[in-house]
Amino acid sequence: KAGVTQTPRYLIKTRGQQVTLSCSPISGHRSVSWYQQTPGQGLQFLFEYFSETQRNKGNFPGRFSGRQFSNSRSEMNVSTLELGDSALYLCASSLEAGGGEQFFGPGTRLTVL
Amino acid sequence: QKEVEQNSGPLSVPEGAIASLNCTYSDRGSQSFFWYRQYSGKSPELIMSIYSNGDKEDGRFTAQLNKASQYVSLLIRDSQPSDSATYLCAAIRGPGRRALTFGSGTRLQVQP
Repeated sequence: KAGVTQTPRYLIKTRGQQVTLSCSPISGHRSVSWYQQTPGQGLQFLFEYFSETQRNKGNFPGRFSGRQFSNSRSEMNVSTLELGDSALYLCASSLEAGGGEQFFGPGTRLTVL
Repeated sequence: QKEVEQNSGPLSVPEGAIASLNCTYSDRGSQSFFWYRQYSGKSPELIMSIYSNGDKEDGRFTAQLNKASQYVSLLIRDSQPSDSATYLCAAIRGPGRRALTFGSGTRLQVQP
């Protein structure tokens, strides 16, 4: 089975721009969670989607949004980028909503200049 | 207080020794616990899950859970240099109930 894939792997943007990241889960997995990882804050939960519905949301501003498509692929969008948004964005898929056994993609490294 | 707490380390052990990684959690409603390993520059990978009090063994890894003390640990026997990584402890209340919460991780260094 193919693993979780994320595109793009690297992004460089400037402040004020917006960005869209994509995640394709493992075949058969219907839950996709997104995390932000920084050296200072560690792995922080952004949101989870299951069957095209947002099931959980972390403590991030409204500039961070996401969606899930009928084929379980998910996208997250960050608008009006700030320097502090520079991070590794990870997506993880699991079989069930809120599942703890999650399988992570390689991540997208976002740099905001 | 963070919901899941880990000592950041580094924890340094010689090759062949037992590495003991510890984690405490504050949410008494947490039911399931997980250990993820993250190599530098890579994404986390699941190595162990534990759902009930006691020990769970898988190869060189043993996870231990004590819900009364709100304590989870991971033992790595016969540590190898390839085990050098950051180990993340995570907890969840239950499927569909809140999100998986991660600790900040403990960096393990296995000295050859």
